Amino acid sequence: QSVLTQPPSVSGAPGQRVTISCTGSSSNIGTHYDVHWYQQLLGTAPKLLIYGNDKRPSGVPDRFSGSKSGTSASLAITGLQAEDEADYYCQSYDSNVNGWVFGGGTKLTVL
Amino acid sequence: QLQLQESGPGVVKPSGTLSLTCTVSGGSISSSSHYWAWIRQPPGKGLEWIGNIHYGGSTHYIPSLVSRVTISVDTSKNHFSLTLISVAAADTAVYYCARQSATRLNYFDPWGQGILVTVSS
Repeated sequence: QSVLTQPPSVSGAPGQRVTISCTGSSSNIGTHYDVHWYQQLLGTAPKLLIYGNDKRPSGVPDRFSGSKSGTSASLAITGLQAEDEADYYCQSYDSNVNGWVFGGGTKLTVL
Repeated sequence: QLQLQESGPGVVKPSGTLSLTCTVSGGSISSSSHYWAWIRQPPGKGLEWIGNIHYGGSTHYIPSLVSRVTISVDTSKNHFSLTLISVAAADTAVYYCARQSATRLNYFDPWGQGILVTVSS
């Protein structure tokens, strides 16, 4: 049971927009702790996709965007492409756990 | 370009000790702006932060593992290490090392490629 809750799976057709939610609480996202997102392609290590809630590292397409509101955060992917098929994880800090935590992960399927 | 590479045994016996090293290249581990972290992923499951270390030696560990885990750093070799004692089947996982921002942001980037460690007799 992850401290940050994500839907197990989402899907969309090429060109469509999908969103992945990350729900936390007052001990993590609901305070001043930032949310970061990672993309994990099959068989590879996670890669930083969004940091500081809504910032993209160099090289990440602007089709990917992040937002945070209250105790939740979201990752949006527009213009869905086959290469976006991957697992996506949110991450933050939790003051109850006294450590850094990840969401359970969401598998994105491109139909 | 900073790169991290995990190394160590791929199989550890139950009740034994898991020891891994992460070698950092393309940059110095002696950075005041970063922690150096270990994260694991059991087969088919999600990510779990294990702990981190600053080059000065300060450490943070996940509470559920604090009695079994030690992370150390060797600045002369530009690497850091993970030791996990009394392992069981539940410790079977891909173990990743990563650089972690020591600012308020605390994100992990970059990551090593990961090493699968299987606990089996």
